Amino acid sequence: TQLLEQSPQFLSIQEGENLTVYCNSSSVFSSLQWYRQEPGEGPVLLVTVVTGGEVKKLKRLTFQFGDARKDSSLHITAAQPGDTGLYLCAGVKVNDYKLSFGAGTTVTVRA
Amino acid sequence: EAGVVQSPRYKIIEKKQPVAFWCNPISGHNTLYWYLQNLGQGPELLIRYENEEAVDDSQLPKDRFSAERLKGVDSTLKIQPAELGDSAVYLCASSPGLAGSTDTQYFGPGTRLTVL
Repeated sequence: TQLLEQSPQFLSIQEGENLTVYCNSSSVFSSLQWYRQEPGEGPVLLVTVVTGGEVKKLKRLTFQFGDARKDSSLHITAAQPGDTGLYLCAGVKVNDYKLSFGAGTTVTVRA
Repeated sequence: EAGVVQSPRYKIIEKKQPVAFWCNPISGHNTLYWYLQNLGQGPELLIRYENEEAVDDSQLPKDRFSAERLKGVDSTLKIQPAELGDSAVYLCASSPGLAGSTDTQYFGPGTRLTVL
């Protein structure tokens, strides 16, 4: 079983719609990161959250870290075709250094 | 500033053949990681170097995989002999300091290995 469970696995929406991707675990994390990966490229860091309940915004993307630091969500408002990609959450457990990744959510935004 | 460089980008080999991947991290980055990413999955750590020392190789299948970072800069990951199940993308990443909970890792584009 994966340390971080992402849902949904696939998401296909029309341009202009909103979407939310979830990342859940039974473990507590000292930090959690979201990456976007495009075909043929490595993951690119979008955001790091470290405080329970923290909300960060990056243009049309909103990231939230759960109060208990066990889960996170990524919300995209008015999605655009350029948002298409594989979204990965990754976390470092408390008292650890290792970054563990979820399996990812493949997002497709249709024009 | 140049990013993490990996070569080759693609490699196709027959099973039982050897293969090597090369990574040049971002200049000045102390920590270097090799990850394996299977299709439809997130990256999984194979080995982590701090300078030239392999500080975590617990996930590296040592019967066929080896890695080195002799001068604490670039690194090579080798598989000998390759098996069908080794087909995957091999990602290299580097980070400025020692591994920590918020140290940002910068990924290269990866090497896509296909074993026939």
